[in-house]
Amino acid sequence: DSGVTQTPKHLITATGQRVTLRCSPRSGDLSVYWYQQSLDQGLQFLIQYYNGEERAKGNILERFSAQQFPDLHSELNLSSLELGDSALYFCASSVPSGVARLDEQFFGPGTRLTVL
Amino acid sequence: GQNIDQPTEMTATEGAIVQINCTYQTSGFNGLFWYQQHAGEAPTFLSYNVLDGLEEKGRFSSFLSRSKGYSYLLLKELQMKDSASYLCAVRGQNQGGKLIFGQGTELSVKP
Repeated sequence: DSGVTQTPKHLITATGQRVTLRCSPRSGDLSVYWYQQSLDQGLQFLIQYYNGEERAKGNILERFSAQQFPDLHSELNLSSLELGDSALYFCASSVPSGVARLDEQFFGPGTRLTVL
Repeated sequence: GQNIDQPTEMTATEGAIVQINCTYQTSGFNGLFWYQQHAGEAPTFLSYNVLDGLEEKGRFSSFLSRSKGYSYLLLKELQMKDSASYLCAVRGQNQGGKLIFGQGTELSVKP
């Protein structure tokens, strides 16, 4: 158990719908990262937040958005869903940037999204 | 651009040693990570290299050559439970902490 929690574990929805995925980082971690893992794309970085502020952005679609709240939990919002959005969505957290050279990321169990 | 290459799959025998290679081309470099991922589960951290050389951690070792853009993960005394996907990931310079992952190497350990 990494200490990172994600809900829900599974989500089945239809094309065109909107969903929200939730992540709670490990206690004390200020950085939260979102990754998407599909069969043909591997693990792709979407976005990073650090203490409530966006820190880095990957190839995140405009239909996707995220935020990190004052209690440090984060939500990833996916809208106008398409079949190709079906994937595992992982959240990871790490110790405060700059504190440790390693800055290892701990991954949550993921949310499996199926778009029908 | 950023590119990370690793073999798609490998097979090895229980008790043997296997080396999984990773080559990378990134804009800036601030560390290379190896993660293990069992099917449907979260990636778990194995090792980290930021300087050239070998880092040893029990049955697992990882090597880095920054000038060659090359790393390998060495697994000794293979066990059946080591069957998993092994992900090589690079952290760039001044890009927050984001990791760029390779496609992963699916390792099958046979009795």
